[in-house]
Amino acid sequence: DSGVTQTPKHLITATGQRVTLRCSPRSGDLSVYWYQQSLDQGLQFLIQYYNGEERAKGNILERFSAQQFPDLHSELNLSSLELGDSALYFCASSVTEGLAGGRWDTGELFFGEGSRLTVL
Amino acid sequence: LAKTTQPISMDSYEGQEVNITCSHNNIATNDYITWYQQFPSQGPRFIIQGYKTKVTNEVASLFIPADRKSSTLSLPRVSLSDTAVYYCLVGGYSSASKIIFGSGTRLSIRP
Repeated sequence: DSGVTQTPKHLITATGQRVTLRCSPRSGDLSVYWYQQSLDQGLQFLIQYYNGEERAKGNILERFSAQQFPDLHSELNLSSLELGDSALYFCASSVTEGLAGGRWDTGELFFGEGSRLTVL
Repeated sequence: LAKTTQPISMDSYEGQEVNITCSHNNIATNDYITWYQQFPSQGPRFIIQGYKTKVTNEVASLFIPADRKSSTLSLPRVSLSDTAVYYCLVGGYSSASKIIFGSGTRLSIRP
């Protein structure tokens, strides 16, 4: 158990709909990262937040948005869903601002079990 | 951002030592090298991280030559449960570091 909690574990919805994925980071972790993994594909970095602020953005579609709340949990909102959005969405957390946020640390990311989204 | 190149797949047998090499020719001075393991339908799990020379933990060893343009993850005496995808990442001290996973190496262990 990594300590990162993602809900829901599974979600089935229709094209055009909107869903929200939730992530609770490990206690004490300030950074949250979102990744998308399609079937047999690598992990695509979407976005990172640190202590409520957006820190880095990857290939995140305009239809997707995210935020990190004061209690440090994060939500990834996916709208106008398309078939190609079907994927596993992972959230990860770390203590620091970045992989090695300006000081020595292990640089370890702790991943949740993912939310499997199926768009029909 | 330093790009990494790894073999797409590797096969080995139980009890063997497996070495997975990652090429990162454009590694920057302050970049660290990190390896993750991912089982199907699970999130990746941190294995090991290093900057130079050799790092060893209870799971694996990481060898980094002096020029740091490559690194080798060594898994001693693998078992069937080591069948997974292994990712090599390179990143450094940056307030906006995007932690990018490449395609990884799909390791298959046979009895």
